[in-house]
Amino acid sequence: AQSVTQLGSHVSVSEGALVLLRCNYSSSVPPYLFWYVQYPNQGLQLLLKYTSAATLVKGINGFEAEFKKSETSFHLTKPSAHMSDAAEYFCAVTTPQGGSEKLVFGKGTKLTVNP
Amino acid sequence: DAGVTQSPTHLIKTRGQHVTLRCSPISGHKSVSWYQQVLGQGPQFIFQYYEKEERGRGNFPDRFSARQFPNYSSELNVNALLLGDSALYLCASSLAAGLDEQFFGPGTRLTVL
Repeated sequence: AQSVTQLGSHVSVSEGALVLLRCNYSSSVPPYLFWYVQYPNQGLQLLLKYTSAATLVKGINGFEAEFKKSETSFHLTKPSAHMSDAAEYFCAVTTPQGGSEKLVFGKGTKLTVNP
Repeated sequence: DAGVTQSPTHLIKTRGQHVTLRCSPISGHKSVSWYQQVLGQGPQFIFQYYEKEERGRGNFPDRFSARQFPNYSSELNVNALLLGDSALYLCASSLAAGLDEQFFGPGTRLTVL
């Protein structure tokens, strides 16, 4: 069974500072990994995804994540935080199972950006 | 193009009642998935449908059921509502049932009193 652990339910950074949101996964087969962002009262928007190609994945809004198999990690980073980055971020894992895609999500990390 | 749409946006029910939530996928998408997001948690997978057939089911009781129509829209039904069913219900659509990107709708906020 797959699982995702997001370390830190709340992260607070200053505007312009580095953003680092942590995600560790558990999967018995090579996983596909995703980061989603959720703004208040909205659905989920895909930031980026890892699908077994390049281990460093670049996404939208300046975010990127690095797949590290040895550490079973897929941490999300952004060099310089912007006020508009304040939202909740979810890491998710999936593997092919019988032709369906079941995303398993972490509990989320709420990012606060201080002026 | 319109994104994934869900209706209603908000719903209040009492325990024991039944509820139907609706989802229209992005045009051309043939797969619809449903997720339950309880406050403070990540979304949990409920069902996936592709070409009107169930392709995956999460760990939810039989009170939860769904179906997909010929136009690929979908309904999620929940019977005998419990207080614990209060959540944001998210619908996601994708081109196929494999590892395609899932596009999420804004969700339906269900409150059970």
